[in-house]
Amino acid sequence: AQSVTQLDSQVPVFEEAPVELRCNYSSSVSVYLFWYVQYPNQGLQLLLKYLSGSTLVESINGFEAEFNKSQTSFHLRKPSVHISDTAEYFCAVSDPSNTGKLIFGQGTTLQVKP
Amino acid sequence: DTGVSQDPRHKITKRGQNVTFRCDPISEHNRLYWYRQTLGQGPEFLTYFQNEAQLEKSRLLSDRFSAERPKGSFSTLEIQRTEQGDSAMYLCASRPTGTGNTIYFGEGSWLTVV
Repeated sequence: AQSVTQLDSQVPVFEEAPVELRCNYSSSVSVYLFWYVQYPNQGLQLLLKYLSGSTLVESINGFEAEFNKSQTSFHLRKPSVHISDTAEYFCAVSDPSNTGKLIFGQGTTLQVKP
Repeated sequence: DTGVSQDPRHKITKRGQNVTFRCDPISEHNRLYWYRQTLGQGPEFLTYFQNEAQLEKSRLLSDRFSAERPKGSFSTLEIQRTEQGDSAMYLCASRPTGTGNTIYFGEGSWLTVV
């Protein structure tokens, strides 16, 4: 069975400051890793994903995440946040089996302050 | 591409009543998933379909819950004899078959049981 732990439920940060949202996973098999973002009263949008290859993956809006197999982590980082980044962020895993279902962490609320 | 569509977006019902949610996936996406999300938690997997076949159901899906995808296109999720604990957002998602393909989420259907 797989599980995901997001170590921080809330992360307050000032605008233009760097941020890191932490994610650790547990799995007995190799996994795919994802970060989704959820704005208030909306569904989830894919931010970025790691399937294989380079362990550093980037999104189009400046976020990046690094897959660390030895530490079973997939932390999300951004060097300079904007007010518009305020949202709920979810880390998720799926195994490469045929189901494709995602197992989510509890979420981290990123609060960007002016 | 109109995205994953869910209806209704909000539903308030009295305890004991039945409710039904509809999901229209992205066309040609043969995988369809249902998730449940409660406040402050990550989405929890309920069930998924490959075309019209329901291939997996979570233990969370009690006997009061039933999901269908009769023609392999839209899907319905019915909750019978609703309880206050059923209050949550019900998320539908879809993706094409194939390893690593992105799962796209709808905006969810909020259920409040009073």
